[in-house]
Amino acid sequence: EIVMTQSPATLSVSPGERATLSCRASQSITSNLAWYQQKPGQAPRLLIYGASTRATAIPARFSGSGSGTEFTLTISSLQSGDFAVYYCQQYNNWPPLTFGGGTKVEIK
Amino acid sequence: QVQLQESGPGLVKPSQTLSLTCTVSGGSISSDGYYWNWIRQHPGKGLEWIGYIYYTGNTGSTYYNPSLKSRVTISVDTSKNQFSLKLSSVTAADTAVYYCARWDYKWFDPWGQGTLVTVSS
Repeated sequence: EIVMTQSPATLSVSPGERATLSCRASQSITSNLAWYQQKPGQAPRLLIYGASTRATAIPARFSGSGSGTEFTLTISSLQSGDFAVYYCQQYNNWPPLTFGGGTKVEIK
Repeated sequence: QVQLQESGPGLVKPSQTLSLTCTVSGGSISSDGYYWNWIRQHPGKGLEWIGYIYYTGNTGSTYYNPSLKSRVTISVDTSKNQFSLKLSSVTAADTAVYYCARWDYKWFDPWGQGTLVTVSS
């Protein structure tokens, strides 16, 4: 099973600042990584796939990078609606499909 | 656009079977290339993939998370454009929000809104 590890668990950021979230895979997953945003009481929403491709209607302030085992999600200028929990998910080796434990982005 | 909606009991007794249904609208559950999944989220925790069913050409195939495989059954009702989850011998550890989601062999999109199932006597 590929273990996905996200850091930090919680990130405190002021509105307008940049947020950088990390996701590490226990073995290489090439670029087979997706990022999701989850707000309280809502289902996760797809943000990024293929490690760096934004999903439909996702603003350009969200960007993904990385390959192999190290990945980053960057939110260039945080807006109020961006405070949420973010999950990474690998789809390179399964079963099982696995998610990271999440990073909560909170208002500083 | 495709939308998914979970339904089922919100309370299940220990040792019983949890049963949920996901209704798909805006698209066919028999569409080539789409897999229909169940994912759960324990309270305040991360996401756990349960399994999927793939139905095309009148044939369905399933794949389950090895950690749950012995207790899980996913099935499909094409006449209602629905798929279902059954999880047997539940305990308090199965208390979670259960989501259904479409998977294209890569990422999950879209998701249902989720339904909380509590296991308690």
